[in-house]
Amino acid sequence: DQQVKQNSPSLSVQEGRISILNCDYTNSMFDYFLWYKKYPAEGPTFLISISSIKDKNEDGRFTVFLNKSAKHLSLHIVPSQPGDSAVYFCAASEGESGAQKLVFGQGTRLTINP
Amino acid sequence: ETGVTQSPTHLIKTRGQQVTLRCSSQSGHNTVSWYQQALGQGPQFIFQYYREEENGRGNFPPRFSGLQFPNYSSELNVNALELDDSALYLCASSPRTGWNTEAFFGQGTRLTVV
Repeated sequence: DQQVKQNSPSLSVQEGRISILNCDYTNSMFDYFLWYKKYPAEGPTFLISISSIKDKNEDGRFTVFLNKSAKHLSLHIVPSQPGDSAVYFCAASEGESGAQKLVFGQGTRLTINP
Repeated sequence: ETGVTQSPTHLIKTRGQQVTLRCSSQSGHNTVSWYQQALGQGPQFIFQYYREEENGRGNFPPRFSGLQFPNYSSELNVNALELDDSALYLCASSPRTGWNTEAFFGQGTRLTVV
């Protein structure tokens, strides 16, 4: 069972515009969420995180929104730049598990077009 | 500050063999986790080590085992390799254990089982 889902395998956005990547989850016990970016032949790079006590967290061009009632989170990138082209993964963890066991979505490949 | 480093970067093994993958955690990080990423999927949690003890385990059989050393570096051992073990193996380190912390990943080891 896929507890974290990224339903869009790919997304294409024009440079300078907003990129919106979506993620849905099914486990209501998840209370910490993260976004990672991955380039080919590299490991995932941490971008931004959000705790379930918040509904928004912002870091420069990156903003994550969390809608707990809908079990949905999104990552907004504004403005999009060519270097943002990568695969983006959302991940979630639950407090009761103790250890940080991240559950990842399948990823969305973002392509920024000049 | 040195990031997470993994060795080797690529490895080819024969079905039934054993393999050891190595990871040096980021300076100051005492928690190490291992993930398996199959092609086209998100990473899957294998296990986590904190202060040289296993601190959490995902849905992987006992032939996947690990170690953490006093300097917080870690090994992942896989016995009786199967073709389905072919994947990218990622090591991640964190500054502390617990569910609400960021994990920083290495570049991964690409294992091919033939």
